[in-house]
Amino acid sequence: GQNIDQPTEMTATEGAIVQINCTYQTSGFNGLFWYQQHAGEAPTFLSYNVLDGLEEKGRFSSFLSRSKGYSYLLLKELQMKDSASYLCAVSAAGGSTLGRLYFGRGTQLTVWP
Amino acid sequence: NAGVTQTPKFQVLKTGQSMTLQCAQDMNHEYMSWYRQDPGMGLRLIHYSVGAGITDQGEVPNGYNVSRSTTEDFPLRLLSAAPSQTSVYFCASSSQGFEQYFGPGTRLTVT
Repeated sequence: GQNIDQPTEMTATEGAIVQINCTYQTSGFNGLFWYQQHAGEAPTFLSYNVLDGLEEKGRFSSFLSRSKGYSYLLLKELQMKDSASYLCAVSAAGGSTLGRLYFGRGTQLTVWP
Repeated sequence: NAGVTQTPKFQVLKTGQSMTLQCAQDMNHEYMSWYRQDPGMGLRLIHYSVGAGITDQGEVPNGYNVSRSTTEDFPLRLLSAAPSQTSVYFCASSSQGFEQYFGPGTRLTVT
């Protein structure tokens, strides 16, 4: 089975840095994804980690430790438009399960001016 | 390039009615999935497909059927709608099982 945990809500102020954590327990692992979802819209892809370490993409970075079943998404220089739900998702590995994504419940981030 | 399209955007059904949610993609992706999203529950996988003619169940398949006769289309059928199926439904596609592209969603209410 799959178990993915992330905080329900976080708040931060404009210009600050916020770290959203995600822990997971999965039977098979083929990578971890972060998606952003604004209210009433579809999720959009932010990042993908399959090896341990940090992946940086502009103001967003994502970290993975496979041995600890842990990832975080780091958002720098927060802007009001970053207020959204951030979804952690794990891809199952192998055979017919390749391509299946299991999602956490999402972290609702509110950025205050 | 339209990406992933879903129809309808909104739908209201009465309990016991059946309907098909349409999903199409024009990116030649082999992987396609259906998710439902409920408040506080995140996205849950209903059914997915790794290619034309191949489908498999996800976490919450009961009450839903799928088929994949072409690479482009992956319709989701509700056999006999129930109020518990009130949700937002997202279709997604990906290549090699990696980054998934989501459609705009269908907001379904069952009364």
